[in-house]
Amino acid sequence: GAGVSQSPRYKVAKRGQDVALRCDPISGHVSLFWYQQALGQGPEFLTYFQNEAQLDKSGLPSDRFFAERPEGSVSTLKIQRTQQEDSAVYLCASSLVAGGQETQYFGPGTRLLVL
Amino acid sequence: ELKVEQNPLFLSMQEGKNYTIYCNYSTTSDRLYWYRQDPGKSLESLFVLLSNGAVKQEGRLMASLDTKARLSTLHITAAVHDLSATYFCAVDNYGQNFVFGPGTRLSVLP
Repeated sequence: GAGVSQSPRYKVAKRGQDVALRCDPISGHVSLFWYQQALGQGPEFLTYFQNEAQLDKSGLPSDRFFAERPEGSVSTLKIQRTQQEDSAVYLCASSLVAGGQETQYFGPGTRLLVL
Repeated sequence: ELKVEQNPLFLSMQEGKNYTIYCNYSTTSDRLYWYRQDPGKSLESLFVLLSNGAVKQEGRLMASLDTKARLSTLHITAAVHDLSATYFCAVDNYGQNFVFGPGTRLSVLP
């Protein structure tokens, strides 16, 4: 069956460029999460959507990061004026029910390299 | 603030041996998850532990949860090369999101 998909899989950006990362969650999943995973570390929470509502954005590192899920399905994570420290793998996860209390299914990630 | 620790961070073991990975966390939670990540791949769900005393087993892996001790273990029995990967525990953060541990990199040598 279809899992969580993300695009692009790889993105190279020049410092100062804007990027947009897309996540297609599993159909029907209410919850959608974005995580940032630096090399050799565990994923770190960025933001959480319940349907189209962004209920938690406490993990976004700066106001250059913006996420949306306007119709409660596909989500986009946008990073403005990228910096080298933004280089990481960005993981999207979805779960069937609201909140973070159920198994999250992860996409393959987008590897972002900022030069 | 919920903090999650794992040890060891790196583990090299021979095939056929047994070992345990530990995950401990700093605040009350009764839901804990184990994930596996292969190099360059995403995270694969292994176990969901939803209550104190929960024990789950799948093949050579067994996970348990002690919410009073704030501790989960992932036990590996008779390791095989295919188990080489990074293992993460993740703790439910008051139903809002997951907080992940730093991961344990397991290498099973022939």
